[in-house]
Amino acid sequence: QKEVEQNSGPLSVPEGAIASLNCTYSDRGSQSFFWYRQYSGKSPELIMFIYSNGDKEDGRFTAQLNKASQYVSLLIRDSQPSDSATYLCAVNKDSNYQLIWGAGTKLIIKP
Amino acid sequence: DVKVTQSSRYLVKRTGEKVFLECVQDMDHENMFWYRQDPGLGLRLIYFSYDVKMKEKGDIPEGYSVSREKKERFSLILESASTNQTSMYLCASSPRRLAGMDEQFFGPGTRLTVL
Repeated sequence: QKEVEQNSGPLSVPEGAIASLNCTYSDRGSQSFFWYRQYSGKSPELIMFIYSNGDKEDGRFTAQLNKASQYVSLLIRDSQPSDSATYLCAVNKDSNYQLIWGAGTKLIIKP
Repeated sequence: DVKVTQSSRYLVKRTGEKVFLECVQDMDHENMFWYRQDPGLGLRLIYFSYDVKMKEKGDIPEGYSVSREKKERFSLILESASTNQTSMYLCASSPRRLAGMDEQFFGPGTRLTVL
């Protein structure tokens, strides 16, 4: 089992709809969870991080964390074509400074 | 804004050459990382450093070495480049807050082709 798993997609969502991206992780000791967006040919950029169970909202983005079920999700409301990218989930590793990365989900927003 | 720069966006080298990839960050971050990214394989950690002159192996260190002589600079060295090292190389840095709370900031990447 991979330590951080994401559906590779592509996930196709109509413009204006809600895009839901999911990530599961295997280490129950993980404390912090990150969502990055990566456009084709570009480097990853941080969208959000979440440390506590529940929801965290930032503009059109909401991160949801459920530690008991070991999953974290990212919701994108009012999806725009500019949201089309690969979304990477990352989870901290033990007590050091490394992150464990999922392989990413490719999101396509159709006009 | 955090700025992480990498010496080259594109690089073409020949098999057997020694290759240097440079990364510089301007935000006084303690931690620095080198990853490679290949289609379908995601980000794989090559080496990281949490202090000057300190280095730790990541998941795929074979064929690579690193150098961190100054806090702001972290270099990746391919001792003898091979075609299977053709990849996108990404440098990242993070501040040392509480362990596990450190988001990483990426440079623009170097696309290396080894012929």
